Amino acid sequence: DTGVSQDPRHKITKRGQNVTFRCDPISEHNRLYWYRQTLGQGPEFLTYFQNEAQLEKSRLLSDRFSAERPKGSFSTLEIQRTEQGDSAMYLCASSWDVTQETQYFGPGTRLLVL
Amino acid sequence: AQSVSQHNHHVILSEAASLELGCNYSYGGTVNLFWYVQYPGQHLQLLLKYFSGDPLVKGIKGFEAEFIKSKFSFNLRKPSVQWSDTAEYFCAVHMNTGFQKLVFGTGTRLLVSP
Repeated sequence: DTGVSQDPRHKITKRGQNVTFRCDPISEHNRLYWYRQTLGQGPEFLTYFQNEAQLEKSRLLSDRFSAERPKGSFSTLEIQRTEQGDSAMYLCASSWDVTQETQYFGPGTRLLVL
Repeated sequence: AQSVSQHNHHVILSEAASLELGCNYSYGGTVNLFWYVQYPGQHLQLLLKYFSGDPLVKGIKGFEAEFIKSKFSFNLRKPSVQWSDTAEYFCAVHMNTGFQKLVFGTGTRLLVSP
């Protein structure tokens, strides 16, 4: 399977703990996106990388959230001091920088904060 | 604020019925338009997309969508649904603001009864 992959698929943590998610994009895709989806809502944009540079950040991304894409390939999203409101599905998408750009999504990581 | 509206949150149809799901967006500039589908237990998949040209676009599995610029709409249609079309459908818009993010609607959950 050469699609976008995410790990882990599920994460249960206690409030106050730190969690880290990983996303592996489609190979050679130079753009990578993180979205968050809560129940009954569509995905909401969090942040975007072009190669290793983080170019856009949503105001949804509080200072407890940090994302990296150190070598322009896989990316990690870390949430520090998790809160119950962080419970959501975290989606990763990737795309190739072309005129008719299409984002392809991974299966997501479902986070539950107790 | 730029937004995407999907007015039908839940739709129930019998097999062979016709489907139309509404999508409206609020942005006066150039847009790229997408419909994604999420089948039960699966990740978001691209159904169809519009970038330019013929406003009637055809996607996979017999779906089509029509872009009506004057109405800021991109409605999804299928003349005859099947039980396997049971899924959640998301309209997404890339607004040419210099930012790369997709803005999603809240989704429409379609249930097709056999």
